[in-house]
Amino acid sequence: DTGVSQDPRHKITKRGQNVTFRCDPISEHNRLYWYRQTLGQGPEFLTYFQNEAQLEKSRLLSDRFSAERPKGSFSTLEIQRTEQGDSAMYLCASSSPGRAHKGRDTQYFGPGTRLTVL
Amino acid sequence: AQKITQTQPGMFVQEKEAVTLDCTYDTSDQSYGLFWYKQPSSGEMIFLIYQGSYDEQNATEGRYSLNFQKARKSANLVISASQLGDSAMYFCAMREGGNDMRFGAGTRLTVKP
Repeated sequence: DTGVSQDPRHKITKRGQNVTFRCDPISEHNRLYWYRQTLGQGPEFLTYFQNEAQLEKSRLLSDRFSAERPKGSFSTLEIQRTEQGDSAMYLCASSSPGRAHKGRDTQYFGPGTRLTVL
Repeated sequence: AQKITQTQPGMFVQEKEAVTLDCTYDTSDQSYGLFWYKQPSSGEMIFLIYQGSYDEQNATEGRYSLNFQKARKSANLVISASQLGDSAMYFCAMREGGNDMRFGAGTRLTVKP
């Protein structure tokens, strides 16, 4: 399997601009997750898709954030009207219950997109 | 309340020695999973090891083992025969009934030559 890929790896934008990130999960993984990681912290859950359905959203996902997974394959995360507080690493992960690692499905992460809002 | 606590912000270990990274967790669920991930400076989270709450044996994966003490709610990671490439951030995480994972704040491990 190729791993989870994310694009771009780095994004610098000015406050108020919109940004969009892409995540390509491991092929055949039907579950996809987005996390945000700020400096010195562990990742925080943002949202979860099973196939194309967005089944869970964290309260961290304000109305400026939207995520899609239109065909149940790749996913996009858009942030509108970016704020300096949005500066973080955005991580995508995927998993498949059918390939559980000794039990519950294990999430495999991509390299992340580092967002800097000036 | 913090679900996952990693009390060691930083740890040092001599190359070829073993090191234990601490993790305690808080849950009222009977069924849950515990995970350890490694995050090198490149940023990617690398899955290391998994322990299910009903697993009777401690999990092992190569040089990694998980010291699971259910009554104490601890899931410490043991790395044997440390290598320079083990220098990284290490995160403990827990998954309960939902689909999200809760992560601790991490421990930065530095392996000294």
